[in-house]
Amino acid sequence: DQQVKQNSPSLSVQEGRISILNCDYTNSMFDYFLWYKKYPAEGPTFLISISSIKDKNEDGRFTVFLNKSAKHLSLHIVPSQPGDSAVYFCAASGTTSGTYKYIFGTGTRLKVLA
Amino acid sequence: DTAVSQTPKYLVTQMGNDKSIKCEQNLGHDTMYWYKQDSKKFLKIMFSYNNKELIINETVPNRFSPKSPDKAHLNLHINSLELGDSAVYFCASRGDRASHEQYFGPGTRLTVT
Repeated sequence: DQQVKQNSPSLSVQEGRISILNCDYTNSMFDYFLWYKKYPAEGPTFLISISSIKDKNEDGRFTVFLNKSAKHLSLHIVPSQPGDSAVYFCAASGTTSGTYKYIFGTGTRLKVLA
Repeated sequence: DTAVSQTPKYLVTQMGNDKSIKCEQNLGHDTMYWYKQDSKKFLKIMFSYNNKELIINETVPNRFSPKSPDKAHLNLHINSLELGDSAVYFCASRGDRASHEQYFGPGTRLTVT
């Protein structure tokens, strides 16, 4: 049972435009969400996160939006740059149990065209 | 200076062999993880240790045995390797309880022939 889904395996965007990556989850116990970026032959690197008590978190060009009622989050990158081309994973965790177990989506490959 | 390192980066071996993957972090973190990324690109948690104590053990065959000699190291030993074990294995570490950010190693690509 895939609790975190990224339904778009790939996305192409022109440089300077907005990139929107989507993520859906099914477990209502999830209360913390993260986005990671992964380049080929490297491990994922943390990008931005959001707690379920917020609906938006912004860090420079990156903004994450959380819609708890829809169990949906999205990552906006504005403006997109060629260096943003990578695979983006969303991850979710339910922290009430005290063990920090993270469930990852299958990733969306973003290609920013120069 | 690499924060989370894994050795080896590539591992090619035959079915039935036993192999180990090593992971070290120099971040002073208390919690470490092993993840498996299979051919479908799922990044699945396998194990987590906190200060050398096993705290997460997912449904993983008991041919996989993690070992944490100290909180900076988390090794993964795999017995009787099978074709389905072929994957990329990532080690990660996380800081204090208030931090959710994980730092990942570069991955070990295991190919079982």
